[in-house]
Amino acid sequence: SQQGEEDPQALSIQEGENATMNCSYKTSINNLQWYRQNSGRGLVHLILIRSNEREKHSGRLRVTLDTSKKSSSLLITASRAADTASYFCATVNTGGFKTIFGAGTRLFVKA
Amino acid sequence: DTEVTQTPKHLVMGMTNKKSLKCEQHMGHRAMYWYKQKAKKPPELMFVYSYEKLSINESVPSRFSPECPNSSLLNLHLHALQPEDSALYLCASSQDAGAPNSPLHFGNGTRLTVT
Repeated sequence: SQQGEEDPQALSIQEGENATMNCSYKTSINNLQWYRQNSGRGLVHLILIRSNEREKHSGRLRVTLDTSKKSSSLLITASRAADTASYFCATVNTGGFKTIFGAGTRLFVKA
Repeated sequence: DTEVTQTPKHLVMGMTNKKSLKCEQHMGHRAMYWYKQKAKKPPELMFVYSYEKLSINESVPSRFSPECPNSSLLNLHLHALQPEDSALYLCASSQDAGAPNSPLHFGNGTRLTVT
């Protein structure tokens, strides 16, 4: 079963613009992670934010977490055509054994 | 290239066939996972192995049978599948299933078609 929802489901932007994706979840979490998936490939881990953190940066990525609203956002700044992919948030339950993925956002960056 | 290797990359099988998917990692990870992914959907957790023991079975039908021969290998045995089982099957590993801040490392998957 899916943990939560992401929006938008699809996003099309021009190269150089910023892309923001949102994720909501339903249960208590230990951490929240973001993954990227290129078409027909496996998922690649991008960034992890712990439940006691509010914001985290990694290169052009910025992730926020609001545990009171059970939501997170991923911002990709200065997007590139190579950023075209599906992006999934994933939550890890407090027991740590299950990583459950949200519905995903398909990002298309036009050159 | 990923550090988790899955074979075969593509598999076509009939509903009466028996086949196996294989996954291998050499990162010293002690947790391994099988996920199923349908087109334009997120991966769905099927099984979790921790220290070579099955920890989680997400109510997966018995026509899917996982096996973990050692800490580096994970198999998924398939028998009497249905066409709706056609999907991308992804293997993943992590340092320790009990360590919640350990991200997953995925292989590139096996694209399975059941005819």
